[in-house]
Amino acid sequence: EVQLVQSGAEVKKPGESLKISCKGSGYSFTTYWIAWVRQMPGKGLEWMGMINPADSDTRYSPSFQGQVTISADKSINTAYLQWSSLTASDTAMYYCARGYSGSGTWDSWGQGTQVAVSA
Amino acid sequence: QSALTQPASVSGSPGQSITISCTGTSSDVGGYNYVSWYQHHPGKAPKVMIYGVSDRPSGVSNRFSGSKSGNTASLTISGLQAEDEADYYCSSYTSSITYVFGTGTKVTVL
Repeated sequence: EVQLVQSGAEVKKPGESLKISCKGSGYSFTTYWIAWVRQMPGKGLEWMGMINPADSDTRYSPSFQGQVTISADKSINTAYLQWSSLTASDTAMYYCARGYSGSGTWDSWGQGTQVAVSA
Repeated sequence: QSALTQPASVSGSPGQSITISCTGTSSDVGGYNYVSWYQHHPGKAPKVMIYGVSDRPSGVSNRFSGSKSGNTASLTISGLQAEDEADYYCSSYTSSITYVFGTGTKVTVL
């Protein structure tokens, strides 16, 4: 069974750093891209960026370029989303999802990681 | 890049058909056959209902269908059921080698 299991909820203060994770199982991790998607409270889904775990080729939405870093460690089938300095506007639910190159779709999703940033 | 444009809400009675539009540009929806539709129940992971404009993943009801004309894609739900009440998002590949989601549509079953 294909699974993407994300790390647990986080409560952080502004200015702190954070790295959340997404561990894939039940499939060949390096065969699929991993994307990260944000949903701010009461808002819609926003595509943040994606990584190819096979070679760490990474693409970012212009809205998120420079704001976050996406990485992956293929030896442990895990992708990451990290911030160097959080702000209150980073408060959101973050989902990871996998997509096969050329399919144009994200066919399996993680359960989401809630991030709350507050002083 | 701007989010694809969807109506904020669509409603219908059980058994009826509804259609949700998703308007982009020639740099996304109109330029590629990589439009997907996702169903999202609050608190749960999104689920792909349509990919490649009109293909259905295994296990998705054939009451869901997709199409595209020019820069606008559409999702039709026929034989509306209470369980279809959710938020729906379109998504498209873009010329920037990235993806973009639609603004989202809340479907209400009356």
